[in-house]
Amino acid sequence: NAGVTQTPKFRVLKTGQSMTLLCAQDMNHEYMYWYRQDPGMGLRLIHYSVGEGTTAKGEVPDGYNVSRLKKQNFLLGLESAAPSQTSVYFCASSPSLVTPRGYEQYFGPGTRLTVT
Amino acid sequence: AQSVTQLDSQVPVFEEAPVELRCNYSSSVSVYLFWYVQYPNQGLQLLLKYLSGSTLVKGINGFEAEFNKSQTSFHLRKPSVHISDTAEYFCAVSDIIPRGSTLGRLYFGRGTQLTVWP
Repeated sequence: NAGVTQTPKFRVLKTGQSMTLLCAQDMNHEYMYWYRQDPGMGLRLIHYSVGEGTTAKGEVPDGYNVSRLKKQNFLLGLESAAPSQTSVYFCASSPSLVTPRGYEQYFGPGTRLTVT
Repeated sequence: AQSVTQLDSQVPVFEEAPVELRCNYSSSVSVYLFWYVQYPNQGLQLLLKYLSGSTLVKGINGFEAEFNKSQTSFHLRKPSVHISDTAEYFCAVSDIIPRGSTLGRLYFGRGTQLTVWP
């Protein structure tokens, strides 16, 4: 049981390049989330998904797109990277909101992205 | 929307001293509360949570937190810290949403860096 995994762990992009970050979970969770973490800012929600085939915007969605074609995977795309997107990106998942324990989120190890 | 305030961005303490990391949230509606810990270059790990019941909750590594509804606070405490507790700690809050709704989410504070000195 690997939990939440993210690939790649590190990436350096030039301004204008594109890339996709992959998040996978093996816990059969319904909900998945993408956050970015910047110094002194805590974690800010980019996009999230409440089930296969659904996505929704979080608080900082501009410049990012997501897809959830399979329940276990949640992809984060940057179509045209900008230096302001230099950050550490975390994926998380949670069971659902039917029970209190469903609010608990499980995090991946993160992807450190640098845009030059 | 919720806002979560962690009142101290950095807390330096000596080993074996007690520590309190403070967290306040804005909403007066019913909430679930969490503390996460992040060790250097790692992801976030759940330290403890308040979902219901006793307002004093115990977590891993000897940490505990007390939910105070009237003061909308959820402060984290440990009576005697170790060097290995050096990490960043995040408080997170979720509004309890009506059954069937899909809008629940966690709101995070900006984090408190706990540094334990020998």
